[in-house]
Amino acid sequence: QVHLVQSGAEVKKPGSSVKVSCQASGGTFNSAAISWVRQAPGQGLEWMGGIIPFYGTTNYAQKFQGRVTITADDSTYTAYMELRSLRSEDTALYYCARGRRTVTGFYFFDYWGQGTLVTVSS
Amino acid sequence: DIQMTQSPSTLSASVGDRVTITCRASQSISNWLAWYQQKPGKAPELLIYKASSLESGVPSRFSGGGSGTEFTLTISSLQPGDFATYYCQQYDSYPYTFGQGTKVEIK
Repeated sequence: QVHLVQSGAEVKKPGSSVKVSCQASGGTFNSAAISWVRQAPGQGLEWMGGIIPFYGTTNYAQKFQGRVTITADDSTYTAYMELRSLRSEDTALYYCARGRRTVTGFYFFDYWGQGTLVTVSS
Repeated sequence: DIQMTQSPSTLSASVGDRVTITCRASQSISNWLAWYQQKPGKAPELLIYKASSLESGVPSRFSGGGSGTEFTLTISSLQPGDFATYYCQQYDSYPYTFGQGTKVEIK
């Protein structure tokens, strides 16, 4: 059984950065993909980007390009998401999710972390 | 970006009802579509992938169908634990996009 355990809640000032971690256990890490999906209060799901640790390749949604960096440390089975230049609209629950890759190389999400609440407030 | 549109946004139903949620893509995504269930305060859970493949451990009352631009999620007999919000997601191309969600409420 795969488990994704995320770091704890964060409160940040506008203009600062946040780095959230996601540690995987119980399953493959390098051959899978790890994505970050966020959910603003009372809103839907929004894909931010992802990484395939084995290849070190990343893909980001255009909306977050230049402001987000996703990395992975395969020695500790941990993925990270750093979001910079935070604004109040970034207040959300941030989830990591494991991607199950298909023959096309794209993927859907079969396991999710518990979520990390990031609050941006002055 | 591929836009995913779900209908209805809210659905009121009773235990035992058959319910169907529709998801439309702004362009063809073949059958690269997944469905998730999210309960309040919880992370989403995978129900269906590749439009109609049931994820292991998911009850058989859930089924998915469709291809191209129109897809459905059907719950054959609604159970108390099924009252939740459901999301579709396309994985045909980047950026991955989700529908806005359909909340299934108790009637």
